Amino acid sequence: GNSVTQMEGPVTLSEEAFLTINCTYTATGYPSLFWYVQYPGEGLQLLLKATKADDKGSNKGFEATYRKETTSFHLEKGSVQVSDSAVYFCALVDTGNQFYFGTGTSLTVIP
Amino acid sequence: DTGVSQDPRHKITKRGQNVTFRCDPISEHNRLYWYRQTLGQGPEFLTYFQNEAQLEKSRLLSDRFSAERPKGSFSTLEIQRTEQGDSAMYLCASSSWGGSYYEQYFGPGTRLTVT
Repeated sequence: GNSVTQMEGPVTLSEEAFLTINCTYTATGYPSLFWYVQYPGEGLQLLLKATKADDKGSNKGFEATYRKETTSFHLEKGSVQVSDSAVYFCALVDTGNQFYFGTGTSLTVIP
Repeated sequence: DTGVSQDPRHKITKRGQNVTFRCDPISEHNRLYWYRQTLGQGPEFLTYFQNEAQLEKSRLLSDRFSAERPKGSFSTLEIQRTEQGDSAMYLCASSSWGGSYYEQYFGPGTRLTVT
């Protein structure tokens, strides 16, 4: 079946450090891939997306590239800020329009 | 557009009681999803509606759970005879066609605690 596996947290970084959160997926067909972010006390928000192989999604300095050969969609940011502290979820939607989420990675950025 | 809203935000109930949650989607969205999220896990799909039709239900949705979306607007999720294992965050999301996928907008969730 379809599934998403993402790196376990929590992750703690100093401000301006480089961030990578790994995400791999298992899916039949050609899923679309997403990163969602959940700030404390808020609902999930779409951060970025990629709908086909080699697409790069980007938003707010975050990037992720859809790698079909490695079934990966790793999230990166070159210089994190305290305001990036949140839980990040990798997700896919299959051809039946059903979403599958990873378990989430908590990020804390310290000044 | 005020986004997806859910009510209540928190609910504490005793085991065996019935609870009902409400979700108001973004007004022009025709799809509405319910998810359950337990601590340290990602959202797990429960069910979804296209307009007023309930199109799919997860095996996680036992017969104690029922969802409705009368007139294709707001939706309710009812849990009968609650159990401690039902304690979780219940998330609602709504969506409209976004090209090759349905882009989902999530509400803040209803946190259920069963004592």
